[in-house]
Amino acid sequence: DAGVIQSPRHEVTEMGQEVTLRCKPISGHDYLFWYRQTMMRGLELLIYFNNNVPIDDSGMPEDRFSAKMPNASFSTLKIQPSEPRDSAVYFCASSLIQGQETQYFGPGTRLLVL
Amino acid sequence: AQKITQTQPGMFVQEKEAVTLDCTYDTSDPSYGLFWYKQPSSGEMIFLIYQGSYDQQNATEGRYSLNFQKARKSANLVISASQLGDSAMYFCAFFNDYKLSFGAGTTVTVRA
Repeated sequence: DAGVIQSPRHEVTEMGQEVTLRCKPISGHDYLFWYRQTMMRGLELLIYFNNNVPIDDSGMPEDRFSAKMPNASFSTLKIQPSEPRDSAVYFCASSLIQGQETQYFGPGTRLLVL
Repeated sequence: AQKITQTQPGMFVQEKEAVTLDCTYDTSDPSYGLFWYKQPSSGEMIFLIYQGSYDQQNATEGRYSLNFQKARKSANLVISASQLGDSAMYFCAFFNDYKLSFGAGTTVTVRA
């Protein structure tokens, strides 16, 4: 079975540009999570969805960040406009149910904003 | 917010020996979960083991075992018979209130 798929794996962009990160969760998983990993702040939860509906976006750093899940097999995280401090690894994860269910992570997208 | 602490930024272990990675947490909730993930240099996050707060026995998965001491609020990971491929960053994560909170991580380097 395919795991969580993320694209692109690497992204280099210039400050001010729009960045879109994509995620395909494991088929049948009802929950989808977006995380950001930096040296300074470690792994942080940005937002999570249940059945395509955003449940908690309290971790989204500011209005420049937005996330959507138009269907059960696709989600995007958009940064507009991007800034150098957004440089990080962005992970998508999915789980079958909430509660104590294991979250399975995608390979991550390494974003560098120049 | 839940607090999860990994006090060991880095550790060295000899191949074939066991290593214990510390993890403590702070919560007043009775129901929660504790996870350990491995992040090798390639960057992916790999699930290793899970312990529920109501589980009576310590979790084990192959060479991984979790030393869960609920009263002390600790959930240490034990890796037995270390292999060179175990060299990686290891994260403890606390699950509660629908959220997973990660510790700062411990880097393990296995020496031949």
